[in-house]
Amino acid sequence: AQKITQTQPGMFVQEKEAVTLDCTYDTSDPSYGLFWYKQPSSGEMIFLIYQGSYDQQNATEGRYSLNFQKARKSANLVISASQLGDSAMYFCAMRRTDSNYQLIWGAGTKLIIKP
Amino acid sequence: NAGVTQTPKFRILKIGQSMTLQCTQDMNHNYMYWYRQDPGMGLKLIYYSVGAGITDKGEVPNGYNVSRSTTEDFPLRLELAAPSQTSVYFCASSPGTGKAKNIQYFGAGTRLSVL
Repeated sequence: AQKITQTQPGMFVQEKEAVTLDCTYDTSDPSYGLFWYKQPSSGEMIFLIYQGSYDQQNATEGRYSLNFQKARKSANLVISASQLGDSAMYFCAMRRTDSNYQLIWGAGTKLIIKP
Repeated sequence: NAGVTQTPKFRILKIGQSMTLQCTQDMNHNYMYWYRQDPGMGLKLIYYSVGAGITDKGEVPNGYNVSRSTTEDFPLRLELAAPSQTSVYFCASSPGTGKAKNIQYFGAGTRLSVL
């Protein structure tokens, strides 16, 4: 069965430091997609970045990058030069292979950036 | 740039009342979803739709109903509200085709309390 695991319930990071949020996944399907979403205290869910299993390069979107290690089944989100506005919950998700276009969600990591 | 619009933003219901949470998207996306998020938890899929006239159950469908008469609209109906339905409800949509087919875009959420 597919599974997403986020092992860090919460993290404190000093402003301007880089942050790595962990995500490991389990699937036997060779074709899959991995997603990261941000949920600030205001509550909305914001799409950050996507990585396909066949993508040759790690995905990047501005200050966000995805450290994709296929053999280790990990898809860690890296935020460079953290800002106070990065304080939020972060969710990792994976596309389900047994039900088109549904996502399997991790439990989330609460990131707090300290000034 | 409306994206996914949910109404209302907040609602308090009495036990046994019914209500409809509205969701509309202007991105011509094929797929639409309803999630609930309980405090401190991740997302649970209630219902989803792959196109007008087609809906299917997610993980937690009991107590809810949906319909999809148009591509744009995907209302969620709560019948006989119970305290266990106190939650934040999110509507999302995804294209279903193209490179970004699996990326889900979310509405701002509806915070529902059943007292």
